[in-house]
Amino acid sequence: AQKITQTQPGMFVQEKEAVTLDCTYDTSDPSYGLFWYKQPSSGEMIFLIYQGSYDQQNATEGRYSLNFQKARKSANLVISASQLGDSAMYFCAMREGARDDKIIFGKGTRLHILP
Amino acid sequence: DVKVTQSSRYLVKRTGEKVFLECVQDMDHENMFWYRQDPGLGLRLIYFSYDVKMKEKGDIPEGYSVSREKKERFSLILESASTNQTSMYLCASSLVRVIAYGYNEQFFGPGTRLTVL
Repeated sequence: AQKITQTQPGMFVQEKEAVTLDCTYDTSDPSYGLFWYKQPSSGEMIFLIYQGSYDQQNATEGRYSLNFQKARKSANLVISASQLGDSAMYFCAMREGARDDKIIFGKGTRLHILP
Repeated sequence: DVKVTQSSRYLVKRTGEKVFLECVQDMDHENMFWYRQDPGLGLRLIYFSYDVKMKEKGDIPEGYSVSREKKERFSLILESASTNQTSMYLCASSLVRVIAYGYNEQFFGPGTRLTVL
């Protein structure tokens, strides 16, 4: 079974609209962490945001926020006021337990922002 | 800023050649990783290393080996390249192996697009 599921292979969104990228995860470890990375066409992966399983509040970083619903095992990325530069591949990833040496990545969602 | 560099952005090799992909990080990170990225499959971990001369297999180690002789350098070796190893290879590093609280993200290099003919 997949540990990280991103159900949207591709999305098209009008510039300035908000975007929600879906991510569901599967783990039995009570301690885990969830990451979102962005990969522009240049290829380099860029860290966006992190949510720990024990964090009480949803993580936010500028225009990025993470809609963390623990009971549903979902960790959706929300991008407010999308920009053309947000066009990229987005990956959700999970760390299980305290070991940071093995992170599982989802298959990604390609986001296209339309002018 | 953490910088992770990879020796080549693009590489073309022939079937059966021995291929070396080099990765260097400049922030004294303990962990280093090699991933392979294919369309529709996301990132898959090939090998990682948490210390000099230490390595662990990831999800798809077959056909690959690694070397970490110095803390800052992690090499991926394809002993005998095959066409099914045509892919994008991403190197990453992160600070520590076990974290008590919070997180340490992985920092990625720009990737090497390898084509095996």
